[in-house]
Amino acid sequence: AQSVTQLDSQVPVFEEAPVELRCNYSSSVSVYLFWYVQYPNQGLQLLLKYLSGSTLVESINGFEAEFNKSQTSFHLRKPSVHISDTAEYFCAVSDMNSGYSTLTFGKGTMLLVSP
Amino acid sequence: DAGVIQSPRHEVTEMGQEVTLRCKPISGHNSLFWYRQTMMRGLELLIYFNNNVPIDDSGMPEDRFSAKMPNASFSTLKIQPSEPRDSAVYFCASSSPLQGNTGELFFGEGSRLTVL
Repeated sequence: AQSVTQLDSQVPVFEEAPVELRCNYSSSVSVYLFWYVQYPNQGLQLLLKYLSGSTLVESINGFEAEFNKSQTSFHLRKPSVHISDTAEYFCAVSDMNSGYSTLTFGKGTMLLVSP
Repeated sequence: DAGVIQSPRHEVTEMGQEVTLRCKPISGHNSLFWYRQTMMRGLELLIYFNNNVPIDDSGMPEDRFSAKMPNASFSTLKIQPSEPRDSAVYFCASSSPLQGNTGELFFGEGSRLTVL
């Protein structure tokens, strides 16, 4: 079984400042890693994912995350945030070896960007 | 392409009433998932189907909850009788065999249930 820990329930930041949302996972097997974003009153949308290859993955809107196997982390970063980045961000993992992969989610981090 | 479609978007009902939530997955997706989201517990997987067959329903809270997938384009989640503690946002998600077994999901916009 896997588990995901997002230590920060809320991260307030000013517009154009950098941000890091932390994610640590626990698993006895190899995993795939995901970040999803949820805007108010909407469903979750995939932001980026790590499946294999380069440990640094990027999204189309400037976010990036780095898979660190030794630290079992997959922190999400953006060098300069916008007001429109205000949303809840969920880290998730799935078992790479399972015949039917299901996602285990962290409890989410609310990113609050203010002017 | 149409995404995952859920109905109703909002449901307010009284304790003891039956509630039925509906989901239409993305065409061509062969796996369907029901999640529940609450402030206290976050996102919880209730049940998932593969090729219309329930694979794991261990997350279903109790016998008051049931889910069906009669065909590849439709699923229901039923609560009977409903209780105030069932108040939550219920999400349906689907995944495609083209994603392999990575677990990547496409979510609907959710059904917000309030049980008074």
